[in-house]
Amino acid sequence: AQRVTQPEKLLSVFKGAPVELKCNYSYSGSPELFWYVQYSRQRLQLLLRHISRESIKGFTADLNKGETSFHLKKPFAQEEDSAMYYCALQGAQKLVFGQGTRLTINP
Amino acid sequence: DSGVTQTPKHLITATGQRVTLRCSPRSGDLSVYWYQQSLDQGLQFLIQYYNGEERAKGNILERFSAQQFPDLHSELNLSSLELGDSALYFCASSPLGGWDIQYFGAGTRLSVL
Repeated sequence: AQRVTQPEKLLSVFKGAPVELKCNYSYSGSPELFWYVQYSRQRLQLLLRHISRESIKGFTADLNKGETSFHLKKPFAQEEDSAMYYCALQGAQKLVFGQGTRLTINP
Repeated sequence: DSGVTQTPKHLITATGQRVTLRCSPRSGDLSVYWYQQSLDQGLQFLIQYYNGEERAKGNILERFSAQQFPDLHSELNLSSLELGDSALYFCASSPLGGWDIQYFGAGTRLSVL
């Protein structure tokens, strides 16, 4: 079965501090993982995917197959990073989302 | 604006009723996906269509059905509505039916009273 766990529903950090949003997954096959973001009053949009190994808006995420994790990180948080973040796993012809983490960046 | 259009934005109806949600994908996109977002279940994949054919099925109830028309717009039909069906229903589209790049609509908020 596919499962994505985001253990933190809410995360609050100060501007300039490092951010790490946790994501753990369960999947027997070879996973493809994504992070989606939803800013206030905006649509859900893809932030990054593990196969691209890219950095978007200063965020990176590394797939750790040993720990079955795909944590999202940013070294210095900015106020505009405040949003809802969803980790998602693609496998067996469907996309499974975590419950989401609401990130709040305090000034 | 992602180019994916969903109508209506809001829908209020009563238990037992039937509603239809509409999604117009981005121009040129062949695939449409439907998702349900609720407080209880989070964001769940319901069903995917590709060029008019059902391609993948997720946690879609038997009371729900969908189709994709020749012009590639899609409709999600929800029948015998229950209070628990109240949710935000998202549609997304992608060019070729892959899972990597999906463009989401703004959603239809359904309230079942």
